[in-house]
Amino acid sequence: EVQLLESGGDLIQPGGSLRLSCVASGFTFMTYAMSWVRQAPGKGLEWVSTVSGSGTGTFYADSVKGRFTISRHNTKNTVFLQMTSLTVEDTAIYYCVKEFYSGSSYDYWGPGTLVTVSS
Amino acid sequence: DIQMTQSPSSLSASVGDRVNITCRPSQGISNDLAWYQHKPGGAPKRLIYATSSLQSGVPSRFSGSASGTEFTLTISGLQAEDVATYYCLQHHHYPRTFGQGTKLEIK
Repeated sequence: EVQLLESGGDLIQPGGSLRLSCVASGFTFMTYAMSWVRQAPGKGLEWVSTVSGSGTGTFYADSVKGRFTISRHNTKNTVFLQMTSLTVEDTAIYYCVKEFYSGSSYDYWGPGTLVTVSS
Repeated sequence: DIQMTQSPSSLSASVGDRVNITCRPSQGISNDLAWYQHKPGGAPKRLIYATSSLQSGVPSRFSGSASGTEFTLTISGLQAEDVATYYCLQHHHYPRTFGQGTKLEIK
């Protein structure tokens, strides 16, 4: 059974940094690209970032480019999202998601972790 | 960037009704479109992938189709448990983009 479990969400002040983690199980982790998708309070879903199975390919939404870094540790079945220079607009539930196959849509989602940026 | 125009933004229908939700991309996306159901407090759930393929375990009252440049999610025989917000997602190009969402309620 595929499982994704995020952690690291917290209350953080504007300008601060935070690292989210997502531990995966139930599939051959290194074979699949992984992504982060977020939902701000009262808003819709927003794709944030994707990392390829090997970790060498990364993609970012313009809203986070230069501030967020996605990475993965394939021997530990973990994907990370390092977030810096956080603003109130980054307040959201962050979901870790798995691609069905390379370049496809997302077939599994974690339960999400809440990041609140507030002074 | 590919913009996904989803309509309607909200919808109220009766149990047993047939419901259609549409997404129109700002440029061609082949069949690289999926539909998700999102209930409050939970994670989104994929219903349809590759425009019209039904996700395993999803009731057959859900279906997806495309006509021209418009993609449609149809619920044939609405059930009370279908109350949720529905989103389309294009995965043809980066950045991936979702529709704005359709909030579905029961009359």
